[in-house]
Amino acid sequence: AQSVSQHNHHVILSEAASLELGCNYSYGGTVNLFWYVQYPGQHLQLLLKYFSGDPLVKGIKGFEAEFIKSKFSFNLRKPSVQWSDTAEYFCAVNAPGGGADGLTFGKGTHLIIQP
Amino acid sequence: ETGVTQTPRHLVMGMTNKKSLKCEQHLGHNAMYWYKQSAKKPLELMFVYNFKEQTENNSVPSRFSPECPNSSHLFLHLHTLQPEDSALYLCASSQALAGGDTQYFGPGTRLTVL
Repeated sequence: AQSVSQHNHHVILSEAASLELGCNYSYGGTVNLFWYVQYPGQHLQLLLKYFSGDPLVKGIKGFEAEFIKSKFSFNLRKPSVQWSDTAEYFCAVNAPGGGADGLTFGKGTHLIIQP
Repeated sequence: ETGVTQTPRHLVMGMTNKKSLKCEQHLGHNAMYWYKQSAKKPLELMFVYNFKEQTENNSVPSRFSPECPNSSHLFLHLHTLQPEDSALYLCASSQALAGGDTQYFGPGTRLTVL
């Protein structure tokens, strides 16, 4: 079965700082990778996803993530964060050949942006 | 709004009660999911339905009983729950079970078991 590891559980940054959130997964076959975000008081929503093609994917609100197959990683980046980026960020994986139809999530990273 | 609604938003129940959670999606999707979000634990997949048929039961205790009468509605029937079942229960839907399809989540039901 696949698993997802997010290295940073709490991150505090100042506005305009650069952001990188780590995500590693364990599964040797083909994977689809996702980053979801949950803003305070709101539902989970998709930030970006990778399922094929260019390993550098761009999402909403200036976020991007790079799939590095050799490192089993899918790190999330943003060059300059804003106060409104304060939220919980979840990395998730789906392995079509892994026998699971749903998503396997990491524990999440709580990001706080200080003005 | 994601097009996925859940009711009730909050539920408090005793261990001997029977209650049901409801999820409805207005997106024309064919696959629906139940997830459990507990404090300090990752979101856990519970059940998956595709075209009303259950395709996955992720070793969930029998005190949780799902029902999918059609592709737009999903229920989670609860009975004789334990305090450790207190959590946020999220419903999601996607166009298909294909792995690259985006799952759209509802706001969740916050369940407290006394």
